[in-house]
Amino acid sequence: EPEVTQTPSHQVTQMGQEVILRCVPISNHLYFYWYRQILGQKVEFLVSFYNNEISEKSEIFDDQFSVERPDGSNFTLKIRSTKLEDSAMYFCASSDGSRETQYFGPGTRLLVL
Amino acid sequence: AQKVTQAQTEISVVEKEDVTLDCVYETRDTTYYLFWYKQPPSGELVFLIRRNSFDEQNEISGRYSWNFQKSTSSFNFTITASQVVDSAVYFCALREPQGAQKLVFGQGTRLTINP
Repeated sequence: EPEVTQTPSHQVTQMGQEVILRCVPISNHLYFYWYRQILGQKVEFLVSFYNNEISEKSEIFDDQFSVERPDGSNFTLKIRSTKLEDSAMYFCASSDGSRETQYFGPGTRLLVL
Repeated sequence: AQKVTQAQTEISVVEKEDVTLDCVYETRDTTYYLFWYKQPPSGELVFLIRRNSFDEQNEISGRYSWNFQKSTSSFNFTITASQVVDSAVYFCALREPQGAQKLVFGQGTRLTINP
């Protein structure tokens, strides 16, 4: 069964460093999403991406964040200058043309020291 | 604005008991979608069910069942004869019908099944 994959599974970085989180969505899917879950809290929407552009972003998704689909398979989230409060689990999700269901990857646990 | 409330923060039961997880939602949309996701200790989010607002028929899948009541804006999830492997955090979510159709999640209910 096709699934969303994410790398790395864990990332530790120093405050102020740039990180890139990678996702490979399900191959025939068209809509891509990033969500964030701070430890012990609910899952929050960050950004959605369709047709090579951002379709919606939340207040959390400020100028420090960017997304890119550099090729036909990868979907990346970049945080330019990490802050302590960026420590969280980051989930990538994708859905097909119907957008009926979003399927999530296993997540990347980011720890900013 | 859309909102999902899962009032039960934590539930603990003994194996084989039935357990119901509550979910109440708020939306101004007449068409919307509701979801349940499971987050086991390993951390991933596993899709369990999607329900359309125009389909109020309850659904059963093995030991899992879902009760959707539009009149009370609730979408409750029952596990029958619970097992230790059901231990996880369960999230209810609402998807807006327009725009990016992002998911709005509840706070989650941590379910612990004790042997």
